[in-house]
Amino acid sequence: GQNIDQPTEMTATEGAIVQINCTYQTSGFNGLFWYQQHAGEAPTFLSYNVLDGLEEKGRFSSFLSRSKGYSYLLLKELQMKDSASYLCAVRDSNYQLIWGAGTKLIIKP
Amino acid sequence: NAGVTQTPKFRVLKTGQSMTLLCAQDMNHEYMYWYRQDPGMGLRLIHYSVGEGTTAKGEVPDGYNVSRLKKQNFLLGLESAAPSQTSVYFCATRTGAQEARAQYFGPGTRLLVL
Repeated sequence: GQNIDQPTEMTATEGAIVQINCTYQTSGFNGLFWYQQHAGEAPTFLSYNVLDGLEEKGRFSSFLSRSKGYSYLLLKELQMKDSASYLCAVRDSNYQLIWGAGTKLIIKP
Repeated sequence: NAGVTQTPKFRVLKTGQSMTLLCAQDMNHEYMYWYRQDPGMGLRLIHYSVGEGTTAKGEVPDGYNVSRLKKQNFLLGLESAAPSQTSVYFCATRTGAQEARAQYFGPGTRLLVL
């Protein structure tokens, strides 16, 4: 079967750094996506990785290791507005997205 | 440029009632998707469309039907609502390019079936 695993909830302090991990087992791989979803809102696209390595975009970075079936999202200089759920999704061999249940990130002052 | 819109935003149904959810996009995207999101679970694909006049089943299609008569609209129908269909429904779109990097989501429809 296809499976995406990520922690249910994480807590971090404003101004700190947090790493959200995602491991996956899917039928085929055509890219990994990270989305941000604030409570009561729609998911919005954050990052995309298809090759191994680190992709940096401002305060957010995403890393991929295809051989390990592993990715992480790194958030630096945390702000209160970063409190949200972070969704990991893998595009499988049929080009459909398989979604993790999301990691709820709580930022404390 | 509204992006992706969904109608209605919220609805309460009684078991056995029917309704249609509308997704509209003005981005000229070929692909459109209907997902449901339930607590503790990832987004699950209900149906999708790769172009006007085409539809296909996703992971959880039972109890739902869809139509894509116009490129910009994707309708999701519930013929006889059940409490198990209480959920938040999201529509999403993307271009047809294989390397498209994102799906764009509508604001969601919250459905409660009593």
